[in-house]
Amino acid sequence: DGGITQSPKYLFRKEGQNVTLSCEQNLNHDAMYWYRQDPGQGLRLIYYSQIVNDFQKGDIAEGYSVSREKKESFPLTVTSAQKNPTAFYLCASSIGFQGRNEQFFGPGTRLTVL
Amino acid sequence: GQNIDQPTEMTATEGAIVQINCTYQTSGFNGLFWYQQHAGEAPTFLSYNVLDGLEEKGRFSSFLSRSKGYSYLLLKELQMKDSASYLCAVSDSGGYNKLIFGAGTRLAVHP
Repeated sequence: DGGITQSPKYLFRKEGQNVTLSCEQNLNHDAMYWYRQDPGQGLRLIYYSQIVNDFQKGDIAEGYSVSREKKESFPLTVTSAQKNPTAFYLCASSIGFQGRNEQFFGPGTRLTVL
Repeated sequence: GQNIDQPTEMTATEGAIVQINCTYQTSGFNGLFWYQQHAGEAPTFLSYNVLDGLEEKGRFSSFLSRSKGYSYLLLKELQMKDSASYLCAVSDSGGYNKLIFGAGTRLAVHP
């Protein structure tokens, strides 16, 4: 079955530690995205990648970093510089990045900073 | 600026019809999406509108008026499993498929 996987489902981190969230897709999609979801707010774009070895900052990139070394993988690192990292993180992908390309979402990772 | 407004919460009765409204103000427009999201799960695609009018898909329909910056999602014959958040998202025009999301409408369906 094609789809997007994210791991782990739940993640706990001590303040001051970096943590990496995994996102893998086998849909052969070129574009991938990372969003953050907080209660009462819409999804906010952190980073996006249109093609391998290229990525761009979204609206709230500060304190985060990404890489796109393979088409299937788009890991997100939450660094200690992110002031309020506790949130639900969603990874998504789309066939391309223009026109009507609906985004398909992974199951999400809930990160809690202790 | 970019702004998408939806009601925060709605309640409805099983078997009834509910309409969830969405108004938007964006710098560009390349279509409007509706997603369904159950608590703690991934959003799933429901509908896409880029031209004015009504798109029907089973129990769900979505309407768009570009001149008014307005859309609605209509859910018929409500079922308990329709209790979820419904996200309105506008695809901004430009070089890539950027989606601007509203905060979502949490729908509770009661027996």
